[in-house]
Amino acid sequence: DVKVTQSSRYLVKRTGEKVFLECVQDMDHENMFWYRQDPGLGLRLIYFSYDVKMKEKGDIPEGYSVSREKKERFSLILESASTNQTSMYLCASSSTGPGNQPQHFGDGTRLSIL
Amino acid sequence: LAKTTQPISMDSYEGQEVNITCSHNNIATNDYITWYQQFPSQGPRFIIQGYKTKVTNEVASLFIPADRKSSTLSLPRVSLSDTAVYYCLVGVYNAGNMLTFGGGTRLMVKP
Repeated sequence: DVKVTQSSRYLVKRTGEKVFLECVQDMDHENMFWYRQDPGLGLRLIYFSYDVKMKEKGDIPEGYSVSREKKERFSLILESASTNQTSMYLCASSSTGPGNQPQHFGDGTRLSIL
Repeated sequence: LAKTTQPISMDSYEGQEVNITCSHNNIATNDYITWYQQFPSQGPRFIIQGYKTKVTNEVASLFIPADRKSSTLSLPRVSLSDTAVYYCLVGVYNAGNMLTFGGGTRLMVKP
């Protein structure tokens, strides 16, 4: 089974802090994604990466950056955390294969910015 | 990207078959239809995927008519543990062509 592991289930930070969310997958997947999920808004894509050191903006990249130095690890960075970034953050990975390869998700990090 | 429309919520009882329909009128030729299940405080879990006709696995069946403008996720004999949000996605999981999760369908299974 594919395993996507997010470093923290719950995290509390203060406004203005630099926040790192880490995600690791164990299936040698090429693609990795970061989403946030808010009540009534569903999942929204922040950034994705289709290869090491490659990144592409999703729907809501403002206030975030990402890093992918190794294939298995994809980090989401909140440069200066703000209260409107309080949310559930979900990491996912997928293979680049024939047909359509589904995304596999971690269990999320519930981040609170005070 | 194809927009999807699915009911906001549905109720059912244990042991019943549940069918959740998703409309996707603008589906493109290369698009796949994928369904996810999400429990509270967990990430979405892949259930089933199809391109046309019918697909069945150990969890669910997916019915896709010839015009592919809609699809129906069928859950046989649901139990309380099937209470979750179900998302329908349409597209292709390739870099540069990302998918959007809509609001999903909140299924409540009652005893």
